[in-house]
Amino acid sequence: AQKITQTQPGMFVQEKEAVTLDCTYDTSDQSYGLFWYKQPSSGEMIFLIYQGSYDEQNATEGRYSLNFQKARKSANLVISASQLGDSAMYFCAMREPRGNEKLTFGTGTRLTIIP
Amino acid sequence: SAVISQKPSRDICQRGTSLTIQCQVDSQVTMMFWYRQQPGQSLTLIATANQGSEATYESGFVIDKFPISRPNLTFSTLTVSNMSPEDSSIYLCSACEDSYEQYFGPGTRLTVT
Repeated sequence: AQKITQTQPGMFVQEKEAVTLDCTYDTSDQSYGLFWYKQPSSGEMIFLIYQGSYDEQNATEGRYSLNFQKARKSANLVISASQLGDSAMYFCAMREPRGNEKLTFGTGTRLTIIP
Repeated sequence: SAVISQKPSRDICQRGTSLTIQCQVDSQVTMMFWYRQQPGQSLTLIATANQGSEATYESGFVIDKFPISRPNLTFSTLTVSNMSPEDSSIYLCSACEDSYEQYFGPGTRLTVT
């Protein structure tokens, strides 16, 4: 069974600083996908970034990058130059092998940006 | 990217009643899912909504409690039946196209009194 672990229940970061949100995973599959989502207080789930298990390069999307270390089974999210609007819950998720796209989510990290 | 809408956005319901949540996608998608997020918790998959056949339920969720329909490739409904206060949650619909991305609707906040 797949498992996602987020060990940081909450983080406080000064505005404009970079922040790293930790995510480790456990799977016996060779093919899998890793996602990060942002959930503001409104409750919607906003897709941020995706990393496939066979992707050799770390994924990047604007200020978001995913530090993928396959041997360590970690997929940390890095947010550069944090903004007040980045304050939200962040969830790491894993997708099972292709053909069954359901996601398993971690417990989340609540990020608060301090002005 | 697919745009997903859900109705209602929130509701307050009485114990013992049922609520049907609608999920509409602006394009045809191969897979649709229903998730539950209990207060202060992470997301848990309820079921995969299969087009033209019965939904596939995860462990701990049953069709009698959470009947799901998916009449076509852009629409699905989730019914929360015989509600109790423990059903108070955010219910989220998601959709997956042929690409890797999986998008979520805005969620339905359900409070059962």
